[in-house]
Amino acid sequence: GENVEQHPSTLSVQEGDSAVIKCTYSDSASNYFPWYKQELGKGPQLIIDIRSNVGEKKDQRIAVTLNKTAKHFSLHITETQPEDSAVYFCASLGGSNYKLTFGKGTLLTVNP
Amino acid sequence: DVKVTQSSRYLVKRTGEKVFLECVQDMDHENMFWYRQDPGLGLRLIYFSYDVKMKEKGDIPEGYSVSREKKERFSLILESASTNQTSMYLCASSLWGSYNEQFFGPGTRLTVL
Repeated sequence: GENVEQHPSTLSVQEGDSAVIKCTYSDSASNYFPWYKQELGKGPQLIIDIRSNVGEKKDQRIAVTLNKTAKHFSLHITETQPEDSAVYFCASLGGSNYKLTFGKGTLLTVNP
Repeated sequence: DVKVTQSSRYLVKRTGEKVFLECVQDMDHENMFWYRQDPGLGLRLIYFSYDVKMKEKGDIPEGYSVSREKKERFSLILESASTNQTSMYLCASSLWGSYNEQFFGPGTRLTVL
């Protein structure tokens, strides 16, 4: 089955700096890659996603890039703010429908 | 707004008890999911359902069963709870199809003593 590796497991940045989280996947048939943000005490929430026919997608301060050849995708957050502090999960939709495989998560801390 | 509610935020049960975790969504979503979340392991899919009375095993179904008698409700059942089932349980729902956003409930923190 699909395997998703996510790095780093923790990331601490200063407010205003950029943050990058990277994921690799194993199933070459994977074609959908969402990112979820989980704030303390809440369930994860989708923040951005990308499909395999697109190399990059941007939404204000967040962007996702996809390299299908290398089988990796990354989340970029610019001008980080304290409210960006959360756990971020990448995910991959492999060859079987419905089943997202999640990475292990990255705890992002933005220091004021 | 989509709302996914879970019956309890915190639950404490004893080894061997039968445990029911309930999840209800109010947006007429076809798909519903149960995940467990453990530190360092991320989210792992236990079961999912794409229609009433339909269910599919996820990656870690052992020790669990599910029930979906109505479209809006998806129940996770621990037939005989064990200490290794102490975890955070997250329910999610989405529209039919693979590429749709999953909406998560707030989670149930289950402790099995």
